[in-house]
Amino acid sequence: GEDVEQSLFLSVREGDSSVINCTYTDSSSTYLYWYKQEPGAGLQLLTYIFSNMDMKQDQRLTVLLNKKDKHLSLRIADTQTGDSAIYFCAENNQAGTALIFGKGTTLSVSS
Amino acid sequence: DSGVTQTPKHLITATGQRVTLRCSPRSGDLSVYWYQQSLDQGLQFLIQYYNGEERAKGNILERFSAQQFPDLHSELNLSSLELGDSALYFCASSLSGIGETQYFGPGTRLLVL
Repeated sequence: GEDVEQSLFLSVREGDSSVINCTYTDSSSTYLYWYKQEPGAGLQLLTYIFSNMDMKQDQRLTVLLNKKDKHLSLRIADTQTGDSAIYFCAENNQAGTALIFGKGTTLSVSS
Repeated sequence: DSGVTQTPKHLITATGQRVTLRCSPRSGDLSVYWYQQSLDQGLQFLIQYYNGEERAKGNILERFSAQQFPDLHSELNLSSLELGDSALYFCASSLSGIGETQYFGPGTRLLVL
């Protein structure tokens, strides 16, 4: 069945780059997504990539997609303490009617 | 701010009770989704509505039901509540509901005592 996997925890120092990785199973997903959840808050759409793209850059965020390996990554340049949050990778299910989420990667940024 | 609103923000109730969570989608969006976020299960899709009709069902318990009204707002009804129903319930919306980007509301945190 459909599944999305992420590492659970990442710790970086302020100013470093962060790379959060994700693997997914359903290659039919039109888009792949990154959502951010800050403590006690809702899910914020951070960025997404169309499945026929290899890379998307949006300010400090770079998304890389390797369709052959079904691997998605999110790079945050110049990571700030305000980037501390849980980051969720998600894909559409086969019917396109729901999102399948990973368990989330907790990013901890120390100064 | 995603444009999706949810009320209430917090809800505390007792086992066996029934509650209703409300969601208003972004202006122009016809599709509404409900998700449950719990520590052990993570984020799980519950149900999707499109323009008033149920379109897809996920891991939704029989004790739970939802509907979408003509003004496109949606309600999720949870009944015979159990301790394990304590979770964060999210509503999301999208334009037409197939393979699209979903925008999430701030969630309703439910605590069942």
